[in-house]
Order: sequence, then structure tokens, then C-alpha cells
Amino acid sequence: EVQLVESGGGLVQPGGSLRLSCAASGFTFSRYWMSWVRQTPGKGLEWVANIKQDGSEKYYVDSVKGRFTISRDNAKNSLYLQMNSLRAEDTAVFYCARDLYWLDPWGQGTLVTVSS
Amino acid sequence: QSALTQPASVSGSPRQSIAISCTGTSSDVGAYDYVSWYQQHPDKAPKLLIYDVNKRPSGVSNRFSGSKSGNTASLTISGLQAEDEADYYCSSYTSSNTYVFGTGTKVAVL
Repeated sequence: EVQLVESGGGLVQPGGSLRLSCAASGFTFSRYWMSWVRQTPGKGLEWVANIKQDGSEKYYVDSVKGRFTISRDNAKNSLYLQMNSLRAEDTAVFYCARDLYWLDPWGQGTLVTVSS
Repeated sequence: QSALTQPASVSGSPRQSIAISCTGTSSDVGAYDYVSWYQQHPDKAPKLLIYDVNKRPSGVSNRFSGSKSGNTASLTISGLQAEDEADYYCSSYTSSNTYVFGTGTKVAVL
């Protein structure tokens, strides 16, 4: 069964940092682009970033450029999102997803709350 | 990177058909056939319904269909059922090698 499991969410103060992880199983992780998507509580979806199979290409939504860094470890079948200089407006559920020009499957999400 | 435009809500009676529009630009929806649709029930992760404008993944009901004309894509739900009550989002690949989602549509089954 193809599965993605996010972890690392939590409460962080404005200006702080957090690293999210996504553990993949049930497919050959190293063969796929991967993406992060977030959803503000009660609101819509926003694509955040993606990364090529070998990590050589990365793309970001403008609102996180310079603050968030996507990375992966194919040996560990894991995807990461390092989030620095966090702001209140970054509060959201973060999902990882396999990226094939469409996103499937999605993990269950991990909640990041930025508040003092 | 403005969100694609969807109606905030659409409703229909059981067994009716409804359509949800998704309007973008010539840099996203109009540029590629990489439009996808997702269904999200409350407190659940989104689920892929349609990819590449009109393709259905294995296991998705054939009551869901997709189309595109110019900068606007559409999702049609035929034979509306109570379980179809959910939020629906479109998404498109963009000329900036990124993705953009729609604003989301809440479907109500009357």
C-alpha cells in the first residue's frame, strides 16, 4: 500500500523554526517528484514546494521563498521541509504528496501553529 | 500565483448532475493539460478524483468527469449522492514549474 506519513508539526513562536518530515512507503520513493501542500484552518489549499527525484531541482511558492527549504533523503525514503522565520500566517496543516503533475496520494497532514 | 477561481458553493438534489468551474489563465489552466481535481471531506486529507484534465484514477467512480476549454476547466458530478457532499479543489501546473490550487467549492446535496 502506498503511504505517506508526516510528522514534526507543533507549536512554535513567530520567528522560530520547525522541520517537517514525511516518511514514504509502498513505492519506489527515489523515482518520484514530491510536493508539500498546506491548508490554513477552515480555508483552502496552497501548494508550497516540490523537489525532483535527485534533489537537483526545487520550486517554491513566492510566499515561502528564502524561508522554507525542501529536501529529501532517498536512502531513508523521506521528504523534509525546513521552515525558518515562521509567521502567524504560516499556521496550517501541512501535507506531503507524491507529485506526478497531479498529487497522489496525500499523507494525513501535520499541524503547524505559529503563535506566541 | 493567484488562486484559480471556483464558485464558493454548488448544490443539487440526489441523482442530479452538477458542474464546478475552475478558471485560470494562459499561464496555468490554458497552458497545459495538467489540471487535476481533489475531493476533501471534513478533517480528511484531499483525495485525487481527476488528473490530466479528464482521466480518472483506478477506484474513482465514473460519476466524476473532467473537461477543459481554454482557461477554464470543469468537474461534473453525475447522479449526485449524499456521500459527494464535500469540498472540491482544482489544481493546475503552471509555466513557473509550480502548482496553483483553486479557491475551493463546497458541494451540498439537498
